[in-house]
Amino acid sequence: AQKVTQAQTEISVVEKEDVTLDCVYETRDTTYYLFWYKQPPSGELVFLIRRNSFDEQNEISGRYSWNFQKSTSSFNFTITASQVVDSAVYFCALSGLNTGFQKLVFGTGTRLLVSP
Amino acid sequence: EPEVTQTPSHQVTQMGQEVILRCVPISNHLYFYWYRQILGQKVEFLVSFYNNEISEKSEIFDDQFSVERPDGSNFTLKIRSTKLEDSAMYFCASGRLAGGPQQETQYFGPGTRLLVL
Repeated sequence: AQKVTQAQTEISVVEKEDVTLDCVYETRDTTYYLFWYKQPPSGELVFLIRRNSFDEQNEISGRYSWNFQKSTSSFNFTITASQVVDSAVYFCALSGLNTGFQKLVFGTGTRLLVSP
Repeated sequence: EPEVTQTPSHQVTQMGQEVILRCVPISNHLYFYWYRQILGQKVEFLVSFYNNEISEKSEIFDDQFSVERPDGSNFTLKIRSTKLEDSAMYFCASGRLAGGPQQETQYFGPGTRLLVL
């Protein structure tokens, strides 16, 4: 079975602080993909990043960075110098070879509140 | 940039009524999906659709649900007899470009908020 755990329900920070959102996953697949999606207050789901299980290189995109560690089954997301516009619910998700990558399993999400 | 679109954005219906939620996936995508998110909860997979048939479905997707691709552009989710617990945001997604390298990313539409009274 596949499972994604986001233990942080809600995080509050002040603008310009750095914040890390944790994601721990479980899967028996040897090939899988990990994702982060952002859900702003307007409700849509915005794709942020995809990582495959064979690529453990960290990735940086502007203020966003991701740390993938297979040894701890974690795929953490860091926002540097947070801004009010980063306020949203962030979901980590997993898809595996076992379901032909056709089913995204989501975590429960972390609500990030960035205050001015 | 191509987007997944969904109509309507909001729908209110009476319990027992049929509803049809509509989606236009990104053109040239081959796989289509429906997910739902009950208010304040996580996003849950309902069904995936490829080559005009269901390829994967969850236990949530029971006999009251059906999907269809009636033409070359639309992808619909029908709930035959709505229940109070069907109230949720329903997201359509599409993935996998035709003719290109496999892309495992699913791109989501803005959602339809369904309220069953």
